Amino acid sequence: AQSVAQPEDQVNVAEGNPLTVKCTYSVSGNPYLFWYVQYPNRGLQFLLKYITGDNLVKGSYGFEAEFNKSQTSFHLKKPSALVSDSALYFCAVRDYPLYGNNRLAFGKGNQVVVIP
Amino acid sequence: EAQVTQNPRYLITVTGKKLTVTCSQNMNHEYMSWYRQDPGLGLRQIYYSMNVEVTDKGDVPEGYKVSRKEKRNFPLILESPSPNQTSLYFCASSHGRGPTEAFFGQGTRLTVV
Repeated sequence: AQSVAQPEDQVNVAEGNPLTVKCTYSVSGNPYLFWYVQYPNRGLQFLLKYITGDNLVKGSYGFEAEFNKSQTSFHLKKPSALVSDSALYFCAVRDYPLYGNNRLAFGKGNQVVVIP
Repeated sequence: EAQVTQNPRYLITVTGKKLTVTCSQNMNHEYMSWYRQDPGLGLRQIYYSMNVEVTDKGDVPEGYKVSRKEKRNFPLILESPSPNQTSLYFCASSHGRGPTEAFFGQGTRLTVV
């Protein structure tokens, strides 16, 4: 079964500094990988996804993520963090080929705090 | 506007009193699912539906029921809520299988006392 690990509970970064949120995954086949962001009292919003091809994926709000198959990682990055990036970030994986459930397996989430 | 709508957003109820959380999507998505979010545990799938009249259990289905009589609606039913079902619930929808991203509702914060 697929699974995701987000090793850090909270990531603190100064405004203007690079932001990295770590994610490692486990699947039996090839992975589809996703990043979502959750702002307070809101649902999850899709940021970006990796399907195949280029290992560097660009998404919304200046975020990007790097897929590394050998390290089974999909870290989220932003070159220059903004205070408004403070939120809860979730990494998720869907296994491919698929059998039965189209389930997204989520990590436990990382709270990002951008300090002014 | 493409969206997933959940109601209610907030609900406080007593143990044993049946309740239903509604979910509706306007994107003609085949696949819908329910998740619960608990601190330190991320999102865990409760039930999912591949299409009308096709539903199945997710990772944490105990104490919940669902139905899919219409493509757009996927209500979550708690027949006899208990305090351990106090949580934040999300409905999600997506097109079929594969690399499509899921769209999430705004969430329903349920408290069972």
